[in-house]
Amino acid sequence: QSALTQPRSVSGSPGQSVTISCTGTSSDVGGYNYVSWYQQHPGKAPKLMIYDVSKRPSGVPDRFSGSKSGNTASLTISGLQAEDEADYYCCSYAGSYTFVFGGGTKLTVL
Amino acid sequence: QLQLQESGPGLVKPSETLSLTCTVSGGSISSSSYYWGWIRQPPGKGLEWIGSIYYSGSTYYNPSLKSRVTISVDTSKNQFSLKLSSVTAADTAVYYCARLNIAARPHFDYWGQGTLVTVSS
Repeated sequence: QSALTQPRSVSGSPGQSVTISCTGTSSDVGGYNYVSWYQQHPGKAPKLMIYDVSKRPSGVPDRFSGSKSGNTASLTISGLQAEDEADYYCCSYAGSYTFVFGGGTKLTVL
Repeated sequence: QLQLQESGPGLVKPSETLSLTCTVSGGSISSSSYYWGWIRQPPGKGLEWIGSIYYSGSTYYNPSLKSRVTISVDTSKNQFSLKLSSVTAADTAVYYCARLNIAARPHFDYWGQGTLVTVSS
């Protein structure tokens, strides 16, 4: 069970859009539509932003969207705002009630 | 509003057993729609799922930690606990407890604030 692969960092200017990828295998990301995304600000607990690949919990802005193609899931943040600067982690179900996280991506808002 | 709170020693000696408890308030740990899990994050690194438990006691563990991990539940106290044996410096991390929502497709929807456990003599 290896960690999902995410870019170490991405950046964008306010108002722009950025996409963070999350690549796994057919045993996790590719095998199930059970991908979730978490936002983590420094010193804080992770916060659920996306579940079921593309669903947003109540209270999460619709600027956040998720998708999946094959073994790669993606998180897109449109209309970047300063408060979006944080670390983002993907997570996938990997069968037999086990889960695997990505290595995390640091988003910098320029 | 559901809240989860981790508690336990912040310092553990190498080769000893790390023990943490998560207290759930604002909801019942015995709900059929949820599992309860532990996730850790070494300083400056990413998240790692440790394991999950159902209120009935069914457990699922990360294969890489399975030989050292025990997760248990106490429904009378609305708590679940983590034990990690034979710890080393590599087990130094912030440990989070979280609710695993299985009502839809599984995802961790509520998290505790986390507690730092340092392994050092």
